[in-house]
Amino acid sequence: QQPVQSPQAVILREGEDAVINCSSSKALYSVHWYRQKHGEAPVFLMILLKGGEQKGHEKISASFNEKKQQSSLYLTASQLSYSGTYFCGTESNNAGNMLTFGGGTRLMVKP
Amino acid sequence: ETGVTQTPRHLVMGMTNKKSLKCEQHLGHNAMYWYKQSAKKPLELMFVYNFKEQTENNSVPSRFSPECPNSSHLFLHLHTLQPEDSALYLCASSPNRGTDTQYFGPGTRLTVL
Repeated sequence: QQPVQSPQAVILREGEDAVINCSSSKALYSVHWYRQKHGEAPVFLMILLKGGEQKGHEKISASFNEKKQQSSLYLTASQLSYSGTYFCGTESNNAGNMLTFGGGTRLMVKP
Repeated sequence: ETGVTQTPRHLVMGMTNKKSLKCEQHLGHNAMYWYKQSAKKPLELMFVYNFKEQTENNSVPSRFSPECPNSSHLFLHLHTLQPEDSALYLCASSPNRGTDTQYFGPGTRLTVL
């Protein structure tokens, strides 16, 4: 069962903030976030392990709430370079399972 | 920058053709993956290889045939495809099978006429 991402698409002005959510019907062990720009390969952003940790990379951070079985990606003071499609990949247990990817959230940042 | 390359980048083929997609990784990884990415659909895992051995076949039709001659190279052989097989085919690699960080190639955009 793949995770559900919301919203499916979002349009921002440069400098605005956005939140992308990833929810699963299964208990999660880890969540991975990737960004894919049009015509390019998906690029790894960060991984969060259970324990409710938060991580950040410049002005992009994420949280993982294992009780709610969801993760959120926070984009602060968005830049034009943030445009792309964001995917979450989830691992439902620590048994070497494959990642299951969500449907993606298309983010467009306008000047 | 990516250490995973894919060729060709674009491919148009008829339903009776036979073609192959190639993936090469220069990262020293042990696991390699094929994904299918269709418009408005999640990434679909197709095959997984770990140390050249196939460990996952996600109920993929037999008209898709993978081959992994060594840990650095992965092929996807295509024959008698259908128009609904048109999609972006992505290759990825990771240090080991499972949920290690995956590094993706740029993909092959396949169109089946």
